[in-house]
Amino acid sequence: AQKVTQAQTEISVVEKEDVTLDCVYETRDTTYYLFWYKQPPSGELVFLIRRNSFDEQNEISGRYSWNFQKSTSSFNFTITASQVVDSAVYFCALSEAERGSGYALNFGKGTSLLVTP
Amino acid sequence: SQTIHQWPATLVQPVGSPLSLECTVEGTSNPNLYWYRQAAGRGLQLLFYSVGIGQISSEVPQNLSASRPQDRQFILSSKKLLLSDSGFYLCAGTTRGETQYFGPGTRLLVL
Repeated sequence: AQKVTQAQTEISVVEKEDVTLDCVYETRDTTYYLFWYKQPPSGELVFLIRRNSFDEQNEISGRYSWNFQKSTSSFNFTITASQVVDSAVYFCALSEAERGSGYALNFGKGTSLLVTP
Repeated sequence: SQTIHQWPATLVQPVGSPLSLECTVEGTSNPNLYWYRQAAGRGLQLLFYSVGIGQISSEVPQNLSASRPQDRQFILSSKKLLLSDSGFYLCAGTTRGETQYFGPGTRLLVL
């Protein structure tokens, strides 16, 4: 079963629009970690944020913000005033501490974001 | 902070040929190491992980194998490549429970 669901396959916005990428996860562990990674056309995965299951405080970093809600098992990512350089595929991922998988990441299928001028 | 090195960046191999992809880690000791594959269509799939020298866990049965001969070295191999082995291979490393950092990846095309 898919542990991380990114329902939006592709999103297209015009520059300066705000955009939210959705992520819903599923786990039975009480201790787990959630991540967002950015994959530009070059292919390398760039780390954006890590959240542990005991820290529901939302975070803002420049134009990026993250909303973690355990009640709905969601970890959504918002880009404010999007720019062309934000165009990439964005992955949400889950790492379960208790599963015994060496903290391996379960990835969603990714959301391809295209920001046009 | 840790740095993940991978090579080669691109590889074109005929069906039936062997494969060896190498990954090394700098800036940390005793890391957990991982091989992921990204086939066309974007999804990232865990292939192998290792929590120490000589310790390999396989997530998906397939034509590939992995080895960890040294603490900061992780090798992905195949004796005979299949067309379905084509993809983008990413190595990652982490210290227990911390953030996984990824290498630049190897694009493998099997013809």
